[in-house]
Amino acid sequence: NAGVTQTPKFRVLKTGQSMTLLCAQDMNHEYMYWYRQDPGMGLRLIHYSVGEGTTAKGEVPDGYNVSRLKKQNFLLGLESAAPSQTSVYFCASSYELAGDKRNIQYFGAGTRLSVL
Amino acid sequence: GQNIDQPTEMTATEGAIVQINCTYQTSGFNGLFWYQQHAGEAPTFLSYNVLDGLEEKGRFSSFLSRSKGYSYLLLKELQMKDSASYLCAVRDSGGGNKLTFGTGTQLKVEL
Repeated sequence: NAGVTQTPKFRVLKTGQSMTLLCAQDMNHEYMYWYRQDPGMGLRLIHYSVGEGTTAKGEVPDGYNVSRLKKQNFLLGLESAAPSQTSVYFCASSYELAGDKRNIQYFGAGTRLSVL
Repeated sequence: GQNIDQPTEMTATEGAIVQINCTYQTSGFNGLFWYQQHAGEAPTFLSYNVLDGLEEKGRFSSFLSRSKGYSYLLLKELQMKDSASYLCAVRDSGGGNKLTFGTGTQLKVEL
């Protein structure tokens, strides 16, 4: 029962490098999200997806791109990493059920990224 | 948009009761969530309120007043393992099931 799996768990980048964070969920959830968490700032939504092939901007989308080619996967890309992108990144997914209005978001364990 | 306020830190004694408050201002409201996050781990769902009143689940209860833009999380019979950050989040009435999170309240439970 994996739930939401994020890879990698840790990464150190140099300024200007690119990388892709992978999020995979095995719960057949329609919705997926990428957040970043910084001290004193709380969780902030970067991008989200309401279904396969769809993406939308969240609160802090600049410097990031996303893709949802398969329902179970949501990729977050950094094309040219900057020190301001040093953060902990969390992926989440949620369902939509007619009989359950909670639509709880379930989170992965996070990716700790440092940009030097 | 959403604006969510909660205290930064709280300290309580093992076995006691603690109340963590959350106030919010929102352009559209469709539910309030509480999550627990232990250091270095993922947030995990604790409770959900969309109507006014108290929701009880074991040692944890959550209250909502929509007219006051106010919620609290009540933790009873505190245990050391309850030391964690507690995140208040509001879902807006737009699509996408999007949540806006507060900055979290770091709770320290002492002997």
